[in-house]
Amino acid sequence: DAKTTQPPSMDCAEGRAANLPCNHSTISGNEYVYWYRQIHSQGPQYIIHGLKNNETNEMASLIITEDRKSSTLILPHATLRDTAVYYCIVSGAGGTSYGKLTFGQGTILTVHP
Amino acid sequence: DAGVIQSPRHEVTEMGQEVTLRCKPISGHDYLFWYRQTMMRGLELLIYFNNNVPIDDSGMPEDRFSAKMPNASFSTLKIQPSEPRDSAVYFCASTPEQGAKTQYFGPGTRLLVL
Repeated sequence: DAKTTQPPSMDCAEGRAANLPCNHSTISGNEYVYWYRQIHSQGPQYIIHGLKNNETNEMASLIITEDRKSSTLILPHATLRDTAVYYCIVSGAGGTSYGKLTFGQGTILTVHP
Repeated sequence: DAGVIQSPRHEVTEMGQEVTLRCKPISGHDYLFWYRQTMMRGLELLIYFNNNVPIDDSGMPEDRFSAKMPNASFSTLKIQPSEPRDSAVYFCASTPEQGAKTQYFGPGTRLLVL
């Protein structure tokens, strides 16, 4: 699986959009970008994933650059409950990486009142 | 849906004792994963099952660790004998999709080995 680079921490004001970047310059053509988050003392929670196109669901939007070497997770209206560690994971859908999620250190997002 | 259920939520034991962690996946999910999370090593995959069969146990740290899935609704992770370095939060996750990385995690078991 391709390596990802995320800033260790970010701050955001409540009600504002939180934009969390992720670099994955060695991503290969069949690898997806997955985002999870982990709120303190809870298990990780799946947020969204994508391959090439931008994706949106009820939780967030995922913007992937055209060259796929980086992506941004957008929480459109951050709330205090969005304070968590956000993990960007790049992984293939099958083969030797089948079923495996490799979590890095992630970005600690703190949402302030 | 109740989500992935893990028990116990907290476990304190003494070095050398046997520890058994339990997991009930979401009904209908064919894949079950066990992870361990520590400050030093982060979140690591230990083993995963497909249709109750272990597929990849390369992450199991050593022979003191064993995992079973006797049926589709129950799995155990056993540590015998336990050591202080096994202290961690152990998560169970499940997914219904082949090859999917959209895994649903349980609340975890916080293990402290004294």
